[in-house]
Amino acid sequence: AQSVTQPDIHITVSEGASLELRCNYSYGATPYLFWYVQSPGQGLQLLLKYFSGDTLVQGIKGFEAEFKRSQSSFNLRKPSVHWSDAAEYFCAVGRPAGNKLTFGGGTRVLVKP
Amino acid sequence: EADIYQTPRYLVIGTGKKITLECSQTMGHDKMYWYQQDPGMELHLIHYSYGVNSTEKGDLSSESTVSRIRTEHFPLTLESARPSHTSQYLCASSRGDRGPETQYFGPGTRLLVL
Repeated sequence: AQSVTQPDIHITVSEGASLELRCNYSYGATPYLFWYVQSPGQGLQLLLKYFSGDTLVQGIKGFEAEFKRSQSSFNLRKPSVHWSDAAEYFCAVGRPAGNKLTFGGGTRVLVKP
Repeated sequence: EADIYQTPRYLVIGTGKKITLECSQTMGHDKMYWYQQDPGMELHLIHYSYGVNSTEKGDLSSESTVSRIRTEHFPLTLESARPSHTSQYLCASSRGDRGPETQYFGPGTRLLVL
């Protein structure tokens, strides 16, 4: 069965500093990977996704993620965070059969001024 | 503008009441989903639908039921609400023609059962 682990429950970062959120997955085949962001009281917004091809994917809001098959990881990065990046971030793996998503536990990002 | 809508956004209700959470999408998506999310926790799939008259249970057992009579509409019903049903419920939709597709989420309904 597939699973997604986000090892960091909370991360606090200063505005303007870089950010990296970790995501490890367990899946028997080539994974379909997603990063979503959830602002307080809101639904989830897609930041980026990886289905195949270039292992470094660019997303919205200046985010990027790198797929590393050897490490079963899909870490999310942003070079310089803004106060508006404070939110909860979810990594998810998609199951080709049925298009279901398995989500990680999320990482809450706090941004210090 | 194509979007996915959920109503109500917030609901406080007493134990034993019947409630229906509405979800509608204007994107023409075949697949729709309901997730349950406790505060600060991950999302768990409770129901999904591949099209009209198609509904399936998700990974997390739920006492709720769903229906899909129209492509754009996927309501979730609790016949008798209990405090254990207090949670956030998120609806999502995706295209259905090939492989994993991006799921688009609504804003969610926060349910509090007293």
